[in-house]
Amino acid sequence: DAKTTQPPSMDCAEGRAANLPCNHSTISGNEYVYWYRQIHSQGPQYIIHGLKNNETNEMASLIITEDRKSSTLILPHATLRDTAVYYCIVRVARHGQNFVFGPGTRLSVLP
Amino acid sequence: DAGVTQSPTHLIKTRGQQVTLRCSPKSGHDTVSWYQQALGQGPQFIFQYYEEEERQRGNFPDRFSGHQFPNYSSELNVNALLLGDSALYLCASSADSSGGNNEQFFGPGTRLTVL
Repeated sequence: DAKTTQPPSMDCAEGRAANLPCNHSTISGNEYVYWYRQIHSQGPQYIIHGLKNNETNEMASLIITEDRKSSTLILPHATLRDTAVYYCIVRVARHGQNFVFGPGTRLSVLP
Repeated sequence: DAGVTQSPTHLIKTRGQQVTLRCSPKSGHDTVSWYQQALGQGPQFIFQYYEEEERQRGNFPDRFSGHQFPNYSSELNVNALLLGDSALYLCASSADSSGGNNEQFFGPGTRLTVL
C-alpha cells in the first residue's frame, strides 16, 4: 500500500501557484519523497524529489516540513498544460526499490 | 535521446491468448521495471529486471513473466489473458549505478485490451 495521503482533487486558476499537499507521517529516515505527474493516457513524468531539504528545479519546488511528515509540491505559475494527476511517493534509496503509487491528486488548472 | 520507448502502442487480444510487450530503456540505463495501470488507478508494480535477472516482483501471478536482454531492453509476457488484464502497461528505466537515489523514467505505455 502507498505510504502517502493526498487529496483526490484540486483546482487552480491559470497563472496562479498550485500547492499540492502530501502527508507521509510514517516516513522513515532513509526514505525520499518523490513527485511524479501523469497527463491523460501518457506515462508518468518525474518532477522532483528530496530527502529533507527543500528542492527546486525548472518545473517545481518541493517543500518538506522539518519533521518530514508532510510535504508540498509547488507549481509557481500553473498553466493549462499542468492539468494532470500528481503522485507523491516515498521510497527508500536502495538499488532495485520500486515505486508504490497511490491514487494521487487530480489537479485541474482552470482558465 | 529517445527516452524510454515501448511497442506496440495499442493491442487487442482475446481471453486465453498470450501477449508480448517490448521496452527499450533510456540511453545509459540498465534497470527496467514494469507497471500495470488499470483505468482510474495509479500504476502497480509488476517486476524489475537488472543484469538480465528478475530482481524484485510485485503481487502478480506467474502468468506475468519477463525477460531482459544484454542490451538492457526488456519484454513483458502475459499468458492466458483475462478480461481483468486490460490496462495500460508501463515500462520505466533507471540507472542502477546512481546509488539508489534515482528517478525512474517512464515510457508512454502499451494499452492492452482483452475481449
